[in-house]
Amino acid sequence: NAGVTQTPKFQVLKTGQSMTLQCAQDMNHEYMSWYRQDPGMGLRLIHYSVGAGITDQGEVPNGYNVSRSTTEDFPLRLLSAAPSQTSVYFCASSYSGRYPLHFGNGTRLTVT
Amino acid sequence: QKEVEQDPGPLSVPEGAIVSLNCTYSNSAFQYFMWYRQYSRKGPELLMYTYSSGNKEDGRFTAQVDKSSKYISLFIRDSQPSDSATYLCAEGVSGNNRKLIWGLGTSLAVNP
Repeated sequence: NAGVTQTPKFQVLKTGQSMTLQCAQDMNHEYMSWYRQDPGMGLRLIHYSVGAGITDQGEVPNGYNVSRSTTEDFPLRLLSAAPSQTSVYFCASSYSGRYPLHFGNGTRLTVT
Repeated sequence: QKEVEQDPGPLSVPEGAIVSLNCTYSNSAFQYFMWYRQYSRKGPELLMYTYSSGNKEDGRFTAQVDKSSKYISLFIRDSQPSDSATYLCAEGVSGNNRKLIWGLGTSLAVNP
């Protein structure tokens, strides 16, 4: 039981490039979410999903897209990377939207 | 004023000390309180969660909630060097993960 798996662990992008951060969970959790963590800002919710085919915006969605075609996977797409998107990104899941979150170990992204 | 305030530390204690970590919050609607531990370059991991006022104990850890004062605490007894991490508090309404509010974290170092 791997829990929440995020890939890649590290990534460096140039401004304007696009990429997809992968997230997979093997706990059959309905709820999945993406956070970014920045010094002095804490954890901020980017997008979330309450089940396959259903996604919605969180607190800071601009510049990011998500989709949820299966229960297990919830990729986060950066459409045109900007230096302001330099951050640590965490994927988290829970049995439903009402239970404590389980986090992956993050993707550290630098945009130059 | 932020909805959740947490002293960033750093807090440095000798091995074996009792550690007290605190958060204050301003939203009376919060009903759901959690403590997460985050090691360097890892994702947050759940330590304790509670829905009610009073104390909840799990091994060396005790979570305390005082809704009348809007104050939550985490006590660590017989602290160990392996407890060195950042501790995040999180509060929510009706257990809804979409509405979680996170503290910025307190950095703890336990010195052998």
